[in-house]
Amino acid sequence: TQLLEQSPQFLSIQEGENLTVYCNSSSVFSSLQWYRQEPGEGPVLLVTVVTGGEVKKLKRLTFQFGDARKDSSLHITAAQPGDTGLYLCAGHGSGNTGKLIFGQGTTLQVKP
Amino acid sequence: KAGVTQTPRYLIKTRGQQVTLSCSPISGHRSVSWYQQTPGQGLQFLFEYFSETQRNKGNFPGRFSGRQFSNSRSEMNVSTLELGDSALYLCASSLVPGGSVQPQHFGDGTRLSIL
Repeated sequence: TQLLEQSPQFLSIQEGENLTVYCNSSSVFSSLQWYRQEPGEGPVLLVTVVTGGEVKKLKRLTFQFGDARKDSSLHITAAQPGDTGLYLCAGHGSGNTGKLIFGQGTTLQVKP
Repeated sequence: KAGVTQTPRYLIKTRGQQVTLSCSPISGHRSVSWYQQTPGQGLQFLFEYFSETQRNKGNFPGRFSGRQFSNSRSEMNVSTLELGDSALYLCASSLVPGGSVQPQHFGDGTRLSIL
C-alpha cells in the first residue's frame, strides 16, 4: 500500500517568515502533486512534479521532487496571510489511473 | 468555463438512511473520481469512473456505490448511513484518466452530516 506522510501537520508563523512542508513515502510515485484547500472549498492544484530531482517555482513557492521520486517538499518564502490554508501532497501510483493518494495535509496559518 | 459542480452542498441525514450525491464534471471531461475527506483520515479515494465504467475502487464497504451516466455526470450513493460517514465528499474530473498528465479539477464538495 502506498502511503504519503506529510509534516508538519500544523504550522503557525508570522508574516514574512519562510517555511518548508515535507511529503515522504517509502514507495516510488510516478508523479506528485501539491494542492491548496481553503475552508468550504475543494483542493486547487498548485503544481505537478514528474521527474526525479525536478524543481518548480510558482512565485514565492518552490516545489522539489526527490531524486528517487519518493519524497517532495514545498518551500514558501516570505509567507503572507493569503498563504493561509491546508496544503496537501498527492501521488499518482503506477498505471493509467486517476486515483490519487493524499498525505494528511499541513494546516498553515500566517499571522499578519 | 464552469467548474465541477456538486449538489447538494450540505446535507443532514440520520443513521440508517441512504443518500445520493451528484457531480457534474467540467464540460468535455469524461473521467470522474470521488473522495471522502475527514479530519481523522484526510482525503481517501472512493471510486473512479470513465465512460460509464468503474475503473478503480477504494477500500470502502459495499454501502458506498456510484455510477456514471452517458453525459459523464456521476452520482454516488451511501446506504444505511453510519455516524462515521459524516464527511466532506469531493468529486474531481479530468478529460480522460491519464495519471499525472491529466490534471484533476475538484468541486467544492458536499458536506454530509449524520445525526
